[in-house]
Amino acid sequence: KQEVTQIPAALSVPEGENLVLNCSFTDSAIYNLQWFRQDPGKGLTSLLLIQSSQREQTSGRLNASLDKSSGRSTLYIAASQPGDSATYLCAPGGATNKLIFGTGTLLAVQP
Amino acid sequence: EAEVAQSPRYKITEKSQAVAFWCDPISGHATLYWYRQILGQGPELLVQFQDESVVDDSQLPKDRFSAERLKGVDSTLKIQPAELGDSAMYLCASSPRTSGSGVAKNIQYFGAGTRLSVL
Repeated sequence: KQEVTQIPAALSVPEGENLVLNCSFTDSAIYNLQWFRQDPGKGLTSLLLIQSSQREQTSGRLNASLDKSSGRSTLYIAASQPGDSATYLCAPGGATNKLIFGTGTLLAVQP
Repeated sequence: EAEVAQSPRYKITEKSQAVAFWCDPISGHATLYWYRQILGQGPELLVQFQDESVVDDSQLPKDRFSAERLKGVDSTLKIQPAELGDSAMYLCASSPRTSGSGVAKNIQYFGAGTRLSVL
């Protein structure tokens, strides 16, 4: 059974810092891995999707890497802004696109 | 921009009552997902449809939960009877058809969710 762990559970940084969020998963037989953002009381927004054959994906200030064999992914956020404050969730996906979510990292960027 | 529509946004009910949630996916999306998210946890898949067929309902508590997508478009999730432990956010998501190539088919687009409180 796939289990997903996200570290740290919460993070508070001053504006402008670069930061790294970590995700580990127990079953490396994945088809892709997605990173999502969730604002309080809202739905999820897809940030990046990495296919199992890829090593990384970039979108603006976000960069996600995937090491499938070791069961790890990282989300790098450059030059953080207060608007980046949210919960970040990682979710490895299986053959049917079923996602297994971690419990998330709650990020607070202080102005 | 197209969105996944869910209603109601909030629902308060007493235990043992019946509740229903509605989801309208992005037009043309063949795959529809219902998730439950308990406060402080990540979402958990309850049921996945491809068109009107169930692909995965392994985590759906079938003694009290039911889901349907009769015409392969919008979907309804029902709980009867509701229990205190059902209090959670119920999220609906959709994605393009899972067959074929391309990254886009894997991206799931989420609605704003229905917050259920069972008293």
